[in-house]
Amino acid sequence: SAVISQKPSRDICQRGTSLTIQCQVDSQVTMMFWYRQQPGQSLTLIATANQGSEATYESGFVIDKFPISRPNLTFSTLTVSNMSPEDSSIYLCSGSSGANVLTFGAGSRLTVL
Amino acid sequence: DAKTTQPPSMDCAEGRAANLPCNHSTISGNEYVYWYRQIHSQGPQYIIHGLKNNETNEMASLIITEDRKSSTLILPHATLRDTAVYYCIVRPLQGAQKLVFGQGTRLTINP
Repeated sequence: SAVISQKPSRDICQRGTSLTIQCQVDSQVTMMFWYRQQPGQSLTLIATANQGSEATYESGFVIDKFPISRPNLTFSTLTVSNMSPEDSSIYLCSGSSGANVLTFGAGSRLTVL
Repeated sequence: DAKTTQPPSMDCAEGRAANLPCNHSTISGNEYVYWYRQIHSQGPQYIIHGLKNNETNEMASLIITEDRKSSTLILPHATLRDTAVYYCIVRPLQGAQKLVFGQGTRLTINP
C-alpha cells in the first residue's frame, strides 16, 4: 500500500493567519481525502481532493475556509485559512490506489493561539 | 453509508484474545466491513476487511455473522502495543471510497 508523508508534522500559528499542509504519496493514487480530528474526537472527513478539478466538500466544510489543491496523482495540499483557536486539530491526508485499502498519513497537528 | 455501533471502551489482559464487537444492522449487500485502528498520535492503520466470509491476516481475524448485521474483530494474543482506538466502518466496494468514522472502541491492554 502507499506511503503518505505530511508536512508540517506540527505547527503553532497565530489567529487570523493561514497554513498550508502538504501531502505527498510515494505512488500514484486514484483517490485522496482530507480529514480533521479535533482533540479527543474521531476523524471527520473534510473533502475529497480531485485531481485536476475542484475538491468535493462534505457538509459543514467550505472551499473558502479549506482550499484544496491536487495538481497530480501523488500530491495534494490543504490550506486552513483565517485560523481561529477552534481550528486547532490534527489534519490527516489519506489515499487509495483502488485496492480497497485507504492509507493515512501521520497527520499534521495544528495549534492556533 | 450504513452506521456502526461499538462499545466506547474495553479492557483486555496482555496475552489474551481481544474480541471487539461491532453492530451494523443496516448494512447493504454491496458494503464491506472494514476495521482500522489508531494508536495514540498516529494516523489510522488498516487492519482487515471482509464482505461475508470470515477473514484472517497476520494482524487479526474478522468474524461476520451470517446475516451480516454484526461482526467481531479478534486480536488473538493481545500485546501492550495493541492499545488503541479501533474503528469498525462499512463502506461500499464501488463508488466513493471515502471512510466515514464513528467513535470507535478504545481498547486498553493491561499487563
